[in-house]
Amino acid sequence: DAGVTQSPTHLIKTRGQQVTLRCSPKSGHDTVSWYQQALGQGPQFIFQYYEEEERQRGNFPDRFSGHQFPNYSSELNVNALLLGDSALYLCASSRKGQGNTYGYTFGSGTRLTVV
Amino acid sequence: TQLLEQSPQFLSIQEGENLTVYCNSSSVFSSLQWYRQEPGEGPVLLVTVVTGGEVKKLKRLTFQFGDARKDSSLHITAAQPGDTGLYLCAGAGAGSYQLTFGKGTKLSVIP
Repeated sequence: DAGVTQSPTHLIKTRGQQVTLRCSPKSGHDTVSWYQQALGQGPQFIFQYYEEEERQRGNFPDRFSGHQFPNYSSELNVNALLLGDSALYLCASSRKGQGNTYGYTFGSGTRLTVV
Repeated sequence: TQLLEQSPQFLSIQEGENLTVYCNSSSVFSSLQWYRQEPGEGPVLLVTVVTGGEVKKLKRLTFQFGDARKDSSLHITAAQPGDTGLYLCAGAGAGSYQLTFGKGTKLSVIP
């Protein structure tokens, strides 16, 4: 049973560029959340997608946007990259929006470096 | 804004010792989750506690949710080198779909 799959695993971008990160949720899961984890910090919530809609958003600027597809996979887009966007981006999936009660399955993340 | 404070931030112990990690907040959470994260990997769920005063055991790990649902603790008995990692607590607020994470406790168990 495949868990959460994220791609790419590593990425180096130049300041001002745009980036797209991808996530396939665990089989049977339909809800996808994105988190940003800076070095030495705990993950910070970016947003959650359910039924192809952004259900809740954390304290991140509009440069961060996302999408969920009918097959439940998701993309995270970041425009006008800043050096401070360098972090590990984590995707987490759950079933029927029950992650806060039963827990989430996280992917291994995409390590984004902005130079 | 809900905040979770974890302590200690770093912990280095000898194999066989016991340890406790704390997770505290001034906010009430509907559930509290504990994860373990290895370098270069995503967090892996250890347990979810949802009832105030709840105690859950997972082999040598014991998790407790405070009566007021504002704090939690993780106790490890007879630590082993395989327990090494970053332990994260995460709280879910009522009516919210996000998890608020603490900064984590980095545990090193020396053989």
